[in-house]
Amino acid sequence: DSGVTQTPKHLITATGQRVTLRCSPRSGDLSVYWYQQSLDQGLQFLIQYYNGEERAKGNILERFSAQQFPDLHSELNLSSLELGDSALYFCASSPGTQYGEQFFGPGTRLTVL
Amino acid sequence: KNEVEQSPQNLTAQEGEFITINCSYSVGISALHWLQQHPGGGIVSLFMLSSGKKKHGRLIATINIQEKHSSLHITASHPRDSAVYICAVRGTQGAQKLVFGQGTRLTINP
Repeated sequence: DSGVTQTPKHLITATGQRVTLRCSPRSGDLSVYWYQQSLDQGLQFLIQYYNGEERAKGNILERFSAQQFPDLHSELNLSSLELGDSALYFCASSPGTQYGEQFFGPGTRLTVL
Repeated sequence: KNEVEQSPQNLTAQEGEFITINCSYSVGISALHWLQQHPGGGIVSLFMLSSGKKKHGRLIATINIQEKHSSLHITASHPRDSAVYICAVRGTQGAQKLVFGQGTRLTINP
């Protein structure tokens, strides 16, 4: 158990819908990272937050957004969902922004029908 | 060409064999991570390296910064080692994002 929690574990929805994925980092970790793992693209970095502020952005679509709240939990919002958004979404956390180890949550499996 | 290349993509071995998985990268890095992903999907961080060698139980990870290459070794492999092993690198330009290899699917037969 990494100490990072993600909810829900599974999510099935329809095209065009909007969903919210939630992540709680390890106690004391200030950085949260979101990753997407699809069958054809592998693991890809989406976005990083540090202590409530966006720190780095990767291959995140404009239909996706994220935020980190004062209690340090983070939410990833996916809207206007398409079939291709079906993937595993992982959250990871680390103590700071420098070269620390990242601890991964169990992931949320999103299926868009 | 991907920034991070792993080989082999698939590896099947018998229990007890010595396993080597390779990772080559093309960019300057501040750290390299080895991750393990089990069939259920969860990802576990095995090692983070910036130089030299690290050992944890039957797992050994090495990195050669000059050659931009890292290896993950498993000694006395066991069926429970069956998983996907993923190499990921972190760049040097301040961003903390990880760039991932495509993974190596390891199957250890009893």
